[in-house]
Amino acid sequence: DVKVTQSSRYLVKRTGEKVFLECVQDMDHENMFWYRQDPGLGLRLIYFSYDVKMKEKGDIPEGYSVSREKKERFSLILESASTNQTSMYLCASSSGQGRDYGYTFGSGTRLTVV
Amino acid sequence: SQQGEEDPQALSIQEGENATMNCSYKTSINNLQWYRQNSGRGLVHLILIRSNEREKHSGRLRVTLDTSKKSSSLLITASRAADTASYFCATATYPGGGFKTIFGAGTRLFVKA
Repeated sequence: DVKVTQSSRYLVKRTGEKVFLECVQDMDHENMFWYRQDPGLGLRLIYFSYDVKMKEKGDIPEGYSVSREKKERFSLILESASTNQTSMYLCASSSGQGRDYGYTFGSGTRLTVV
Repeated sequence: SQQGEEDPQALSIQEGENATMNCSYKTSINNLQWYRQNSGRGLVHLILIRSNEREKHSGRLRVTLDTSKKSSSLLITASRAADTASYFCATATYPGGGFKTIFGAGTRLFVKA
């Protein structure tokens, strides 16, 4: 069964902390994505990557960075966590250039910044 | 700005009834996808319909696409309590050689046993 695994289901961090959210996929997918999901706002794209060591900004990259050193792993980094980054974070992957392929999502990480 | 917008925002039906959710979008697309999300979990891909297709079926799911009206509908027949979830449409476009998938805010479906 193909999988996207996010390292934590729930996370509580303090304001100003550096936070790492890890995502690993076992499907050999080229594309990986980080979204955040907030009530009433749907899913908003933070960063994505089409290949190893490649990254592109999404719609809301401010306050975030990413790392993709290996094909299967895509990390989201909150350089200095703030309370407005409290959210559900979803990682996804897809095959090829995304043409006519759906996304496989992880179970999500609910991050609370206090 | 959101590309896909679902309607209604919330829907409550009895088990056994059909549930219909709609999605409207603004620009030309390459494909449209529907996803399900159970409370507090990740999204699960249900079905993808290409821009040159008009209808697609998968089990109890039926998706239609009307590109002239820029709209799609998801029909769940003979609904079950286990269908209770949020349903999202996502539109895929390919601006400038890349691709972009934009998700709507979702329809919350509640199926009463």
